[in-house]
Amino acid sequence: GAVVSQHPSWVICKSGTSVKIECRSLDFQATTMFWYRQFPKQSLMLMATSNEGSKATYEQGVEKDKFLINHASLTLSTLTVTSAHPEDSSFYICSARELDRGRYEQFFGPGTRLTVL
Amino acid sequence: AQKVTQAQTEISVVEKEDVTLDCVYETRDTTYYLFWYKQPPSGELVFLIRRNSFDEQNEISGRYSWNFQKSTSSFNFTITASQVVDSAVYFCALSTPTDSWGKLQFGAGTQVVVTP
Repeated sequence: GAVVSQHPSWVICKSGTSVKIECRSLDFQATTMFWYRQFPKQSLMLMATSNEGSKATYEQGVEKDKFLINHASLTLSTLTVTSAHPEDSSFYICSARELDRGRYEQFFGPGTRLTVL
Repeated sequence: AQKVTQAQTEISVVEKEDVTLDCVYETRDTTYYLFWYKQPPSGELVFLIRRNSFDEQNEISGRYSWNFQKSTSSFNFTITASQVVDSAVYFCALSTPTDSWGKLQFGAGTQVVVTP
C-alpha cells in the first residue's frame, strides 16, 4: 500500500515550452502533496505544499507563476513548469501524505527528470 | 530554524567493511521526527527508518543500525558488512510541528561507494 506514481518519469523539452508533471496516490487519498526539486549532486529542496482543493503554499524563492501546482482531487496533483529554461532542468519528486495516517508519514514518488534544451 | 547537517560528502569502503553516516540536527521543538532515506542511482527515495524524539532506543534492522542521541542531537546510521548494493546517496531528514509536520528538512546527503 501507499504507492505514489509520477508521470512522466523523464521529459526533454525545448526552452520556452511548458511541461506538466503528474503525481498520483494510487491506493490512498492524499490530503497533502509536496513537490521537491533536486539538482545534480544536491539535496532535495521543498518547492511547495498543496492541499486538496486549495492553493499551494510555496517556499521562499520559488516562483508561483512559473511553477503552477494544482491539487484538484485527493489522488492527483500536477506541477506545470511554464516557459521552461535550461536552469529548470532538475529532478522533480512529489510526495503525498495520507488522510488517515500519522501526519508525519510521507510517501515519495519515483521522480521526474526534466531536461530543458 | 530547523537544520540537518551531514558533514560527510562521500564515503568509500570496500565490501564487508562497516560504514557509519553522521547526522546532526537542530530544532527548538521538543517533539520531532527523524528519518533516513536511501537514494540509489535510479533516483527513487527509499524509506529506511523514522524515529520520534521521545524514543531514544537504538534500532537494528538486518545490517542497518541507528544510534539516536538527543544529548548530542545526532542520529547516526551504520551499515554493517557493506555490500555493493548499498552504494547510494543517503539522506537524513527532520520533520517538526513548526513546519506543520509537512516539510521534510533534508541534509545534504552522503554518497556511499562500496567497491568489491
